[in-house]
Parts: sequence; structure tokens; C-alpha cells
Amino acid sequence: AQSVTQPDIHITVSEGASLELRCNYSYGATPYLFWYVQSPGQGLQLLLKYFSGDTLVQGIKGFEAEFKRSQSSFNLRKPSVHWSDAAEYFCAVGARTNAGKSTFGDGTTLTVKP
Amino acid sequence: EAGVVQSPRYKIIEKKQPVAFWCNPISGHNTLYWYLQNLGQGPELLIRYENEEAVDDSQLPKDRFSAERLKGVDSTLKIQPAELGDSAVYLCASSQGAFSGELFFGEGSRLTVL
Repeated sequence: AQSVTQPDIHITVSEGASLELRCNYSYGATPYLFWYVQSPGQGLQLLLKYFSGDTLVQGIKGFEAEFKRSQSSFNLRKPSVHWSDAAEYFCAVGARTNAGKSTFGDGTTLTVKP
Repeated sequence: EAGVVQSPRYKIIEKKQPVAFWCNPISGHNTLYWYLQNLGQGPELLIRYENEEAVDDSQLPKDRFSAERLKGVDSTLKIQPAELGDSAVYLCASSQGAFSGELFFGEGSRLTVL
């Protein structure tokens, strides 16, 4: 069965600082990988996805993520955080035979200090 | 283009009462999902529809939960009777197909059972 672990429940960074959110997955083959963002009271919005090819993927809002097969990781990064990035971030893994059946991690809450 | 629309946004009921949530997916999206999101956790799939057919309902507690998507467009999720533990956010999502990978989420319906 596929699973996702987001080791950091809560992260606080200063505005303008760099950000890295960790995601580790368990899956028997190369999965589909996603990062979603959820602002308070809102639904989830896709930031970026990895299906195949270049292991460094670019997303919206200046985010990027790198797929590392050897580490079963798909960490999310941003070089300079803005106050509007404060939200909850979810990593998800989808089976290649059924990408719609995504399994989500429990999320990391990002707080941005002024 | 309109996004995924859910209603009601908030619902407070007493235990043992019935409740229903409605979802209208993005036009043209034939795949529809209902997810359950408990506080502090990631979404968990309840049921997935391909058009009007429920193709994955293995996580739906069928003793009290039911769902339908009669014409392959909008969908209703019902709980009867509701229990205290059903308090959560019910998210609807849609996609162009199970293999597209990207889910588009509604804002969710927050249920409080007293």
C-alpha cells in the first residue's frame, strides 16, 4: 500500500528566507507525486506534480520540488518565502495505474514571520 | 471557468440526525471524488466516480454513508445517522480522468455533530 510521511507538523520561517518542506513516500514502483497547498477555509490547490522525466519540477508561486528515488523523497522548496505563503502543505502519492487514488500526508503548517 | 462548487459550507447537527452534502464538479470532468479531512490530517478518499459509476468505494462506511451521482455530473454524499466522530470537512474534487493526476478541490463542507 502507498503511504506518505511529512515529518514536520509545523514550520516557521521569516519572510524572505528559504523554505524546504520534507516529504517521504512508500510505494512499490515509481509513483506520481504531488504537492498541494490549502489556505484556511479553502480547498486544496495543486502546486506541482511529478510524473516522469526531469526530477526537478517547477510549480506555481515560485515553488519547486525534487524527486529523489534513492531517498524516496519529494521535498518542496522555495528560495524566498512571502507572507502569503502561510498555509498548510500536503504531499500526495498516486499510483501509476490509478493516479486519481492519491494518498495524502498529514500536512505541514507553514507560518511566516514578518 | 467555475471551479468545484460545494454546499453547504458549514453544517451543525445533532447526533443521529441525517445530513447531505452536494457537489458540482468542473464542467467536463468525468471523475468525481469525495474525501474526508479530519482536523490535522490529510484528505482520505471515501469514494470515486467515473461518470455515474462508483468505481472505488472501499473506504466508504456503508452502514451510514451513501453517495450518488445519478446523471454523471453533480453528486450528493449523505450520512444517516450522523455520529459525533463524523465531525470533519468533506471535500469534493474532480478531474478530467483518473489518469490525469491533478485533482481540483472544492472549498469543502465542514460538519459539526453535537
